[in-house]
Amino acid sequence: EGLLLESGGGLVQPGGSLRLSCAASGFTFGNYAMTWVRQAPGKGLEWVSAIDASSRSTFFADSVKGRFTIARDNSKNTLYLQMNSLRAEDTALYYCAKQYINAWYGDLWGPGTLVTV
Amino acid sequence: EILLTQSPATLSASPGERATLSCRASQSITINLAWYQHKPGQAPRLLMFDASTRATGIPARFSGSGSGTDFTLSISSLQSEDFAVYYCHQYHNWPLSFGGGTKVEIK
Repeated sequence: EGLLLESGGGLVQPGGSLRLSCAASGFTFGNYAMTWVRQAPGKGLEWVSAIDASSRSTFFADSVKGRFTIARDNSKNTLYLQMNSLRAEDTALYYCAKQYINAWYGDLWGPGTLVTV
Repeated sequence: EILLTQSPATLSASPGERATLSCRASQSITINLAWYQHKPGQAPRLLMFDASTRATGIPARFSGSGSGTDFTLSISSLQSEDFAVYYCHQYHNWPLSFGGGTKVEIK
């Protein structure tokens, strides 16, 4: 079924940058689209960004457009989220999720990495 | 942007009771709706996709229904492990979006 493990979270000053990573194992990473979803303290889930299996298409929530970029390295089975110009409202637990084949819902999620701005 | 409104925000119920959760979309999303279960300190768990198809390993007491703008997740007989927060998620249009969640708590 597979595993996902996020890393790279931490404490950063407003205006700063962080790069999150999501290491995948146990499935053919290059066959699946991936997304990032976040949960601010005491709040619900918020979709952040998505990338298709080949990196041809990327998508972003309006709240992060122009500040965040998503990328993947299929040779390293790793997904990335580059976060620039961070704001206090970006404070959240960030999850990566493997998308079901040819669909945009997540059937495998990591435990999350905490970003505090 | 498609807004998803979940109701109720909190549902108090006893083990063995039936729970019915609602998710309403601001425009038609056909059947492009998923449901997730989320417990504190854990990753979200996919329960349902395409509105009414159970994900692998999900017990039959969970069922989903609806199309267009109105959707329902039902739990026929609540078990202790079912007390959690439930989110609906639309994947019909970009940007993808989640509902605000329904917390199912022990009465």
